[in-house]
Amino acid sequence: KNQVEQSPQSLIILEGKNCTLQCNYTVSPFSNLRWYKQDTGRGPVSLTIMTFSENTKSNGRYTATLDADTKQSSLHITASQLSDSASYICVVSESNMLTFGGGTRLMVKP
Amino acid sequence: NAGVTQTPKFQVLKTGQSMTLQCAQDMNHNSMYWYRQDPGMGLRLIYYSASEGTTDKGEVPNGYNVSRLNKREFSLRLESAAPSQTSVYFCASILVYSNQPQHFGDGTRLSIL
Repeated sequence: KNQVEQSPQSLIILEGKNCTLQCNYTVSPFSNLRWYKQDTGRGPVSLTIMTFSENTKSNGRYTATLDADTKQSSLHITASQLSDSASYICVVSESNMLTFGGGTRLMVKP
Repeated sequence: NAGVTQTPKFQVLKTGQSMTLQCAQDMNHNSMYWYRQDPGMGLRLIYYSASEGTTDKGEVPNGYNVSRLNKREFSLRLESAAPSQTSVYFCASILVYSNQPQHFGDGTRLSIL
């Protein structure tokens, strides 16, 4: 069964600090990997999309990396802000069918 | 553009009642999806519609039916609600075969007593 595993499940950091979230997947074949941010009470919003040939993709303070050989991805958040408090979901796509990870719940404290 | 609009935002039902969750998108997307999100779990696909006129089962279809009314609208129906269907339901749409992201609605929070 295709799986997407994320770690840690939850994380608390101080405002201004950096953090890295991890995603391991077994989905095959693989079309692309996406990171979504989900604020409480809202639907997920796309941060980055990477195909298997891309190693890194940035969106402002968010940088995603992908190692298709080891089937691992990470999302690095630089200089965290209070508004970064949310769930971050790793999603792996096979054609247009998506497999969702359970998410990492990030809390940024002042 | 409103994106993906879901109604209602909240609903409380009694066991055995029926209801329909509505979803509409204005982005001319051809594929639409219904997911449920339970605490501590990833989104799970209930049903999807790859294009107007087609629907297919996802990972957790039991207890649900769907209708792709037209290109814009995709509804999810609970015929006889059960407490196990208490969840947050998300509708999403995408332009198929693109590398564009799925767009999600803000969810319907459904409680079944």
